[in-house]
Amino acid sequence: GAVVSQHPSWVICKSGTSVKIECRSLDFQATTMFWYRQFPKQSLMLMATSNEGSKATYEQGVEKDKFLINHASLTLSTLTVTSAHPEDSSFYICSAGGKNYGYTFGSGTRLTVV
Amino acid sequence: TQLLEQSPQFLSIQEGENLTVYCNSSSVFSSLQWYRQEPGEGPVLLVTVVTGGEVKKLKRLTFQFGDARKDSSLHITAAQPGDTGLYLCAGPLNRSDKLIFGTGTRLQVFP
Repeated sequence: GAVVSQHPSWVICKSGTSVKIECRSLDFQATTMFWYRQFPKQSLMLMATSNEGSKATYEQGVEKDKFLINHASLTLSTLTVTSAHPEDSSFYICSAGGKNYGYTFGSGTRLTVV
Repeated sequence: TQLLEQSPQFLSIQEGENLTVYCNSSSVFSSLQWYRQEPGEGPVLLVTVVTGGEVKKLKRLTFQFGDARKDSSLHITAAQPGDTGLYLCAGPLNRSDKLIFGTGTRLQVFP
């Protein structure tokens, strides 16, 4: 079956630094990937849609300058949290696919900003 | 405003009990999916329902899609501690590929 690999699985960084999270589709090409954010004991909230070769589209309320998304190839999307602050601490999850083919989720990245 | 509302939000039961989780919306969805998520992991797909009124069974889990495709339910028979987790319904937004999630139901089954 389709596999999406997300890396790192956890990261701790200092306030003001930037952190990059990678999402790779291992055995299929993904023209579209999705990034979600999940706070403790809450559901997944869609942050943005990552489109291969073009700009990402962000959901309302998500700062595109803070959460930089790059989808330079058909198998890799990256999310960079810039100038991270403690309130950015969260569980970030990527997925690939669509309503016709199904969705495959990464295993998530726990970001802690200290 | 959350498009997919789940109830109950939390459920704590004894092993062997039955339970039902509801997923409701005022919008029509072309399909709905149910996921189960464990702490520190991504959600894992349990089932996809597509046709209004559809019923699908997965061992002790029974999923139903409402006739109007605005709601769905998940019924677990004889719950086991291994069923513990966060249950999420999800559906594609409008006609896009964006998948939005319900508010979630956290289930704990005690032995």
